[in-house]
Amino acid sequence: KAGVTQTPRYLIKTRGQQVTLSCSPISGHRSVSWYQQTPGQGLQFLFEYFSETQRNKGNFPGRFSGRQFSNSRSEMNVSTLELGDSALYLCASSPEGTGRDEAFFGQGTRLTVV
Amino acid sequence: AQSVTQPDIHITVSEGASLELRCNYSYGATPYLFWYVQSPGQGLQLLLKYFSGDTLVQGIKGFEAEFKRSQSSFNLRKPSVHWSDAAEYFCAVGAGYGNKLVFGAGTILRVKS
Repeated sequence: KAGVTQTPRYLIKTRGQQVTLSCSPISGHRSVSWYQQTPGQGLQFLFEYFSETQRNKGNFPGRFSGRQFSNSRSEMNVSTLELGDSALYLCASSPEGTGRDEAFFGQGTRLTVV
Repeated sequence: AQSVTQPDIHITVSEGASLELRCNYSYGATPYLFWYVQSPGQGLQLLLKYFSGDTLVQGIKGFEAEFKRSQSSFNLRKPSVHWSDAAEYFCAVGAGYGNKLVFGAGTILRVKS
């Protein structure tokens, strides 16, 4: 069974641009969550999608958005990039996202904003 | 609000020695607790989880953790550390509805030979 796939693995963007990251969950998983990991702030929850609906949202500005498609694949978008958005963005999928499910993480997308 | 504290940023142990990584949580209800490990440049891998029942849980790679409600702790242990255990370890609590996890700051484990 294939794991969680995140594309691209690495990105370099310029301040003010926007970026879209993609996450393909494990087949059959309906919940997809996104996390931002930085040395200063650690791992922070961005949002969770379940059956194409945002179910949970973290404390991030509106520049961070996401969506989920009918096949459970998810994308997150960051508009008007700032230097502080440089981070490892991790996607996690789980079967039902009940909280008791194991969350399976992808390898992440390393975003560098210059 | 839920929170997780990992008081040790770095820990160094000798190969073959025992290991204990500390984790304290703050959560109003019965918590869902997790330990994840992250190797450099990689995502997170689940070591073990606690939902209810037996307070001593066994995980992969020889790790175990004990849930102590009175101390709000969920410490990770391993009796004999291997060089391949060097990584960063994260404790997390399931934060209510859905699949939101709140993570601690992580503990970097170094193993010396």
